[in-house]
Amino acid sequence: SYELTQPPSVSVSPGQTARITCSGDALPKQYAYWYQQKPGQAPVLVIYKDSERPSGIPERFSGSSSGTTVTLTISGVQAEDEADYYCQSADSSGTWVVFGGGTKLTVL
Amino acid sequence: QVQLVQSGAEVKKPGASVKVSCKASGYTFTSYGISWVRQAPGQGLEWMGWISAYNGNTNYAQKLQGRVTMTTDTSTSTAYMELRSLRSDDTAVYYCARWIQDYMDVWGKGTTVTVSS
Repeated sequence: SYELTQPPSVSVSPGQTARITCSGDALPKQYAYWYQQKPGQAPVLVIYKDSERPSGIPERFSGSSSGTTVTLTISGVQAEDEADYYCQSADSSGTWVVFGGGTKLTVL
Repeated sequence: QVQLVQSGAEVKKPGASVKVSCKASGYTFTSYGISWVRQAPGQGLEWMGWISAYNGNTNYAQKLQGRVTMTTDTSTSTAYMELRSLRSDDTAVYYCARWIQDYMDVWGKGTTVTVSS
């Protein structure tokens, strides 16, 4: 079955830039989406179609794509950005939806 | 504003079934789908499937096919997810989310389902 691979954890100091990667063979063909989940809360969409930002999401959140890897970048990280981040996409046929394993972002 | 309100927590015995509801408001229900995602304690997100609120078409995760059924009631703008033959590893928070072709843009707060003898 198709898989998306994320690093389990990323740590940054406040004001620094955090980059969270997500790798998958079908990513050149399928869009990627990113969700932020804080403890005890439902996920929130922060990036759609690789690099688009929904209304209400701060400009410090951005997304990019290169080959089989997509990246969520958080510039000027704030303490409130500490959360789990999940990428989501689909297999090459577009039939099966998959989430990455999630990355815990720690703000030191 | 777009809102998805889910039913309350459930406790079920192994082998039983559970049916979770998700009432939508703030948008035209039949213009979007509803996707269901679950999260076991301390684990990541697992996609369960989606249903088109327009025509009832469904797409279920292979792992759950045969045990899950997703339906909608357009008269009340409510989606339902039924999971049968429950096992202990079905214990999770179950989320509904508005489905836009490839992704989920608005999520419900989740429904905790506990399977225990």
